[in-house]
Amino acid sequence: NSKVIQTPRYLVKGQGQKAKMRCIPEKGHPVVFWYQQNKNNEFKFLINFQNQEVLQQIDMTEKRFSAECPSNSPCSLEIQSSEAGDSALYLCASSLGGGAETLYFGSGTRLTVL
Amino acid sequence: AQSVTQPDARVTVSEGASLQLRCKYSSSVTPYLFWYVQYPRQGLQLLLKYYSGDPVVQGVNGFEAEFSKSNSSFHLRKASVHWSDSAVYFCAVSLTGGLSGKLTFGEGTQVTVIS
Repeated sequence: NSKVIQTPRYLVKGQGQKAKMRCIPEKGHPVVFWYQQNKNNEFKFLINFQNQEVLQQIDMTEKRFSAECPSNSPCSLEIQSSEAGDSALYLCASSLGGGAETLYFGSGTRLTVL
Repeated sequence: AQSVTQPDARVTVSEGASLQLRCKYSSSVTPYLFWYVQYPRQGLQLLLKYYSGDPVVQGVNGFEAEFSKSNSSFHLRKASVHWSDSAVYFCAVSLTGGLSGKLTFGEGTQVTVIS
């Protein structure tokens, strides 16, 4: 069973509000991913880190979304100004990286933007 | 760029019957291939993965998958399903090499097991 821990499980925000969610990757996993899963089960890769450094991120992430993985603290994903279209399940995953390529997912944070 | 297709959006199967879920991928090189399951209100759990070797791979809970390079497929099977197998199943691929390990997912197949 995955040991990736995501908090909170549910998050409800009004449009324009900030939304912040956290992720503790599995111990020893240096690579962390954030995905957005919409109600149609479409997955969108948002960003990934190796240790504290960003590896890849999509354009959307660069504007309203911000993420970090500080040393000795949970990783976080924050939406600066929530929009209705941001309502989704946000999944954090971690991996050993370096070719192992198996991602282990947390239970997700369900964001609802009213 | 790689892509994944799961042609069956929904599958209904009787408890104790066999199950096969189809997955076809498109990639210029053989990718890592994965099957994940998502139970209601949960994240994704890994069932099995394949990169090389024996084309039939065993996973958790009695699941297995068979890779076919000629058909660009990675179908999932289970000989006898239980009601607890009701979930959404996702096929995913990851290109080899590099540091990203980014997954591309199929559309998912909703499996309903009926008694």
